[in-house]
Amino acid sequence: EVQLVESGGGLVKPGGSLRLSCAASGFTFSSYSMNWVRQAPGKGLEWVSSISSSSSYIYYADSVKGRFTISRDNAKNSLYLQMNSLRAEDTAVYYCARDPGDSGSSYFDYWGQGTLVTVSS
Amino acid sequence: DIQMTQSPSSLSASVGDRVTITCQASQDISNYLNWYQQKPGKAPKLLIYDASNLETGVPSRFSGSGSGTDFTFTISSLQPEDIATYYCQQYDNQRTFGQGTKVEIK
Repeated sequence: EVQLVESGGGLVKPGGSLRLSCAASGFTFSSYSMNWVRQAPGKGLEWVSSISSSSSYIYYADSVKGRFTISRDNAKNSLYLQMNSLRAEDTAVYYCARDPGDSGSSYFDYWGQGTLVTVSS
Repeated sequence: DIQMTQSPSSLSASVGDRVTITCQASQDISNYLNWYQQKPGKAPKLLIYDASNLETGVPSRFSGSGSGTDFTFTISSLQPEDIATYYCQQYDNQRTFGQGTKVEIK
């Protein structure tokens, strides 16, 4: 069974940093692209960042470029999101999502349960 | 950046009704378009990929069509368990979601 479990969320002050993790199991992690998608309270979905299976290709939404860094450790079946210079508008539930994008089509076929990040003084 | 415009933003329909949601891209995205369902407090669920392909295990009352800039998502016979917010998402250039359509029962 495919499982994605996020952790690392919490309350942080504006300007602070946080590192999110996503532990993957039930599939060959090293064969899939992975993504972070967020959802502010009561709002819609916003794609944040993606990383290809071998970390060769990394992309960011303009809203987080230069502040967030996505990475992965295929040996540990884990995905990460380092978030620096956090702002109030980064407050959201952060989901990790699997993407078979390396093989052509791209879609988010499995999602974690999400971890809440709250940026507030 | 590619913008995705969904309509309507919300709708109310009766059980058994046919429900249609549209999604318009700001530029040609071929068929690089996916549809998701999100129920309150839950993670989104993939329903349709590449504009018209039904994800495994998803009921056949859900369907998608379109290419280029105009896409349609249809529920052929609305069921009570279909109450949710539906999102389109493009992957032609980066990834962008539509703003969502909230579906309620009348």
